[in-house]
Amino acid sequence: GQNIDQPTEMTATEGAIVQINCTYQTSGFNGLFWYQQHAGEAPTFLSYNVLDGLEEKGRFSSFLSRSKGYSYLLLKELQMKDSASYLCAVRGLYNQGGKLIFGQGTELSVKP
Amino acid sequence: GAVVSQHPSRVICKSGTSVKIECRSLDFQATTMFWYRQFPKQSLMLMATSNEGSKATYEQGVEKDKFLINHASLTLSTLTVTSAHPEDSSFYICSARERDSPLNTEAFFGQGTRLTVV
Repeated sequence: GQNIDQPTEMTATEGAIVQINCTYQTSGFNGLFWYQQHAGEAPTFLSYNVLDGLEEKGRFSSFLSRSKGYSYLLLKELQMKDSASYLCAVRGLYNQGGKLIFGQGTELSVKP
Repeated sequence: GAVVSQHPSRVICKSGTSVKIECRSLDFQATTMFWYRQFPKQSLMLMATSNEGSKATYEQGVEKDKFLINHASLTLSTLTVTSAHPEDSSFYICSARERDSPLNTEAFFGQGTRLTVV
């Protein structure tokens, strides 16, 4: 079966660092994506991990451990505009069209 | 980056009518498009995988006769919600992958369609 878990909501302070965790159990694995989604809008791509380790991109970093079925998204120097839902998604087997299975999303609130 | 255009962005229809949503890849060819549904404060639930020139693959629990998918060209897929009911009111989003793209390529999302059935 497919199961992707994230915390439902988190709160952090402007300027701080926040880590959003994601654990997954899927029948196939071809990479893990993180997306940001503001209410009523389409998701926007943040990061992609397929090998173990940390990928850094500006204020955002993403980590993957395939053996543990675990990833996290790290947001540094938080800004008010970072308040959004953060979606963890696993790409399935290529013969499934490479479809993405999403977690339930983590609603992040950044406060002054 | 690549652009996926989804139309309409909002639609209100009467119960029992049908609604068609279009998803176009504007600057690339998409052999595969995906259709998602998202209820308020929930994540994206994959409904079906649409392949150009062949029948769509539906996820378990999704009625293929109610959600008709047509992927007639490499740049256009349509989702038709037939005999819509208030419980079909949701945010529908399509995404597309570029033809022959490697697996680390992100899927590009359309802007979404807010469907309200009254």
